[in-house]
Amino acid sequence: EDKVVQSPLSLVVHEGDTVTLNCSYEVTNFRSLLWYKQEKKAPTFLFMLTSSGIEKKSGRLSSILDKKELFSILNITATQTGDSAVYLCAVGSGNTGKLIFGQGTTLQVKP
Amino acid sequence: ETGVTQSPTHLIKTRGQQVTLRCSSQSGHNTVSWYQQALGQGPQFIFQYYREEENGRGNFPPRFSGLQFPNYSSELNVNALELDDSALYLCASSLEGTAGTRAQYFGPGTRLTVL
Repeated sequence: EDKVVQSPLSLVVHEGDTVTLNCSYEVTNFRSLLWYKQEKKAPTFLFMLTSSGIEKKSGRLSSILDKKELFSILNITATQTGDSAVYLCAVGSGNTGKLIFGQGTTLQVKP
Repeated sequence: ETGVTQSPTHLIKTRGQQVTLRCSSQSGHNTVSWYQQALGQGPQFIFQYYREEENGRGNFPPRFSGLQFPNYSSELNVNALELDDSALYLCASSLEGTAGTRAQYFGPGTRLTVL
């Protein structure tokens, strides 16, 4: 059965800290791996990765994929209270565009 | 550019009733996917519509059905509501439903409560 596992499930840090969120997967017919940030309702798209070893970066956030070891990490440097959210990892599978989500990591950044 | 919109925002129904949720895709997108998100869980794929046809379905019973219209908007219908159907229902749009390599952009969701 396809599965996506995120760790840790929750994390509390202070402003300025650097955090690393993990996502491992076992999915047949892998197509892509996506990261989303969910604050209240709508998950907001962060990154999509399809190739191993190529880092994607946006401001203080970056992500990389390892297709051999079947995992991805999301790094956030110099965290701010606005980074507090649930971070979701999802894997695109097959030709239908189906996304298989992990349970999410809840990040709380304290002032 | 208009983002993904969903209606209604909240809905309260009783067991056995039927519900219709609506979604308008982001401008330029032709594919709509629906997800169910229970509290504290990641979203679960219900189905996807591409060119007005179902293009993949998750592990949901037939009482979950959908439609896509020529303008790419979509409806999710749930019959014979059960208590476990209480969840946030998310719609996501993307450009082209094939290959699974298109980013999906989510709407704000509809919170359904079944009493």
